[in-house]
Amino acid sequence: QITLRESGPTLVKPTQTLTLTCTFSGFSFRRSGVGVGWIRQPPGKALEWLALIYWNDDKIYSPSLKNRLTITKDTSKNQVVLTMTNLDPVDTATYYCAHGQRHYHFLTGYWPLIDYWGRGTLVTVSS
Amino acid sequence: QSALTQPPAVSGSPGQSVTISCTGTSSDVGVHNSVSWYQQPPGTAPKLIIYEVSNRPSGVPDRFSGSKSGNTASLTISGLQAEDEADYYCSLYTPTSTLVFGGGTKLTVL
Repeated sequence: QITLRESGPTLVKPTQTLTLTCTFSGFSFRRSGVGVGWIRQPPGKALEWLALIYWNDDKIYSPSLKNRLTITKDTSKNQVVLTMTNLDPVDTATYYCAHGQRHYHFLTGYWPLIDYWGRGTLVTVSS
Repeated sequence: QSALTQPPAVSGSPGQSVTISCTGTSSDVGVHNSVSWYQQPPGTAPKLIIYEVSNRPSGVPDRFSGSKSGNTASLTISGLQAEDEADYYCSLYTPTSTLVFGGGTKLTVL
């Protein structure tokens, strides 16, 4: 059974750096094709893709946020860490981590199928 | 603003069928089959219900089906049930934009 759990601060001040940790079970980065990603959702708004890291340390970032994001993994701890710099109130959102299995299609190449989600953690950016 | 356009809201009565569209362009939805659909009941995390346009993960009822025509992907829910009331999101992965979500559609079961 795949489970993921997000942890981190609930309140962050503007301009500060956010560090979120995803701790998971039921799968391992030692298995080929495994990835873990982050998606966020501002209150009452749509989902927004942030980043994903694969078992082989390949990373995919949202083009619009890549300059502010860093994603890393700790295989031995079954954890993935996302850092986001220079926070602004518009970054207030529920942040989800999710399992992503690498798929392949000849027209797209390799792509991550996001199939299992954590419960999410609400992060508020306010002074 | 999302690159994938969904209707903000749809509704239907129990037992009816509803279809939610997800419209892109000839460069994204029109080319790639990396389309997924997610169901998000109020206050919960999204759940994968369709992947690669029309495939259902195990455990998802066959009342949920997906398709694609041209630049538009669609999710059809037949035999509507009260428990289907939720927000629905399409997503698409392309090498250029990476992963993009639609703006979401709120389904109301009347």
